[in-house]
Amino acid sequence: EAQVTQNPRYLITVTGKKLTVTCSQNMNHEYMSWYRQDPGLGLRQIYYSMNVEVTDKGDVPEGYKVSRKEKRNFPLILESPSPNQTSLYFCASSGGGARGNDGYTFGSGTRLTVV
Amino acid sequence: GQQVMQIPQYQHVQEGEDFTTYCNSSTTLSNIQWYKQRPGGHPVFLIQLVKSGEVKKQKRLTFQFGEAKKNSSLHITATQTTDVGTYFCADGTASKLTFGTGTRLQVTL
Repeated sequence: EAQVTQNPRYLITVTGKKLTVTCSQNMNHEYMSWYRQDPGLGLRQIYYSMNVEVTDKGDVPEGYKVSRKEKRNFPLILESPSPNQTSLYFCASSGGGARGNDGYTFGSGTRLTVV
Repeated sequence: GQQVMQIPQYQHVQEGEDFTTYCNSSTTLSNIQWYKQRPGGHPVFLIQLVKSGEVKKQKRLTFQFGEAKKNSSLHITATQTTDVGTYFCADGTASKLTFGTGTRLQVTL
């Protein structure tokens, strides 16, 4: 089954303790992105990647890092989490292009609470 | 950064009534995608519009892209309880995709 898998689904951590949220896709997609979703603010892009070793900042990259060493994986790293990073995080992937039927496939989400 | 505004923020309809959500931008939109997110779920891609004035239909859903490519709409005919969720428009490319703020639809019997 074509899917984007994120882990963990839920995470409660303390301020300053480094964490990684994993994301993996099995569709051989070039494009991958991380979004955070907050009430009233919708989905905001954190980082995106256009292929292996090619990443760039989205709209809200502060406090986050990413890497794309393999095509299928795109982990999100919080080096020193803070309470304002409490949010619902989504990883998504896309084959790209403007062929009229090529949107993002989203993972199930990771609900992160930083105390 | 670019802002994509959606109206209304929330709409409550009776089953069988129609529903429309609008996506507006002050700048020209490149491509418009529409997504649906069920309560507690993740966004699911519905459709992409690319051309000025484009209209696409999926059963009871009709998607339009404005002639000036500054707005788009999603219209649902005869809503059903399965239509409940938040509908997002998104503008951009496969890499840089900016989402609107979403319209939450509630449908009651």
